Amino acid sequence: QKEVEQNSGPLSVPEGAIASLNCTYSDRVSQSFFWYRQYSGKSPELIMSIYSNGDKEDGRFTAQLNKASQYVSLLIRDSQPSDSATYLCAVHTGGFKTIFGAGTRLFVKA
Amino acid sequence: DAGVIQSPRHEVTEMGQEVTLRCKPISGHDYLFWYRQTMMRGLELLIYFNNNVPIDDSGMPEDRFSAKMPNASFSTLKIQPSEPRDSAVYFCASSLDLRLATYNEQFFGPGTRLTVL
Repeated sequence: QKEVEQNSGPLSVPEGAIASLNCTYSDRVSQSFFWYRQYSGKSPELIMSIYSNGDKEDGRFTAQLNKASQYVSLLIRDSQPSDSATYLCAVHTGGFKTIFGAGTRLFVKA
Repeated sequence: DAGVIQSPRHEVTEMGQEVTLRCKPISGHDYLFWYRQTMMRGLELLIYFNNNVPIDDSGMPEDRFSAKMPNASFSTLKIQPSEPRDSAVYFCASSLDLRLATYNEQFFGPGTRLTVL
């Protein structure tokens, strides 16, 4: 089992819809969870971090964390074509390492 | 702050040549990371430093790869000799403090796209 798993996609949603990106992790003592956005040919850019169970909202983005289920998700409301990118889930483990998932490609159709 | 700075942005070299990639982390960040990204393997951690000391180099693929951090504002990743399978984008990232949950976000540089012919 990979330490951080994501559906590689591509996930295709129409403009204005909600995009839902999911991630599971294996290390139960993980403390910090991140979502990075990576446009083609660019470097990963941090868009959300979450440390406690529940939801965290920032503009059109909501991160959801459930440590009991070892599950973290990212919701993008009112999806825009500019949101089309690869979204990387990253988990900071008990071993002081941050492990990245393989990423989910998101396409938002105009 | 200018963010993480990497050079060169693109490097094309021939098999067998030595390649040196450079990184300047964000000032005040205690941790520096080197990653490699390919389509097949995704983003792989190669090595990371804390206060200029290498902490975990288990991701370094072979002895051909070496990394140094002579001071808090500079690090190099060297490949000698380079091979075509080393072709990838190499990212450097820095973080304030891995021990504190709210301070271990990593900030990435623009990357170096390496092509080994």
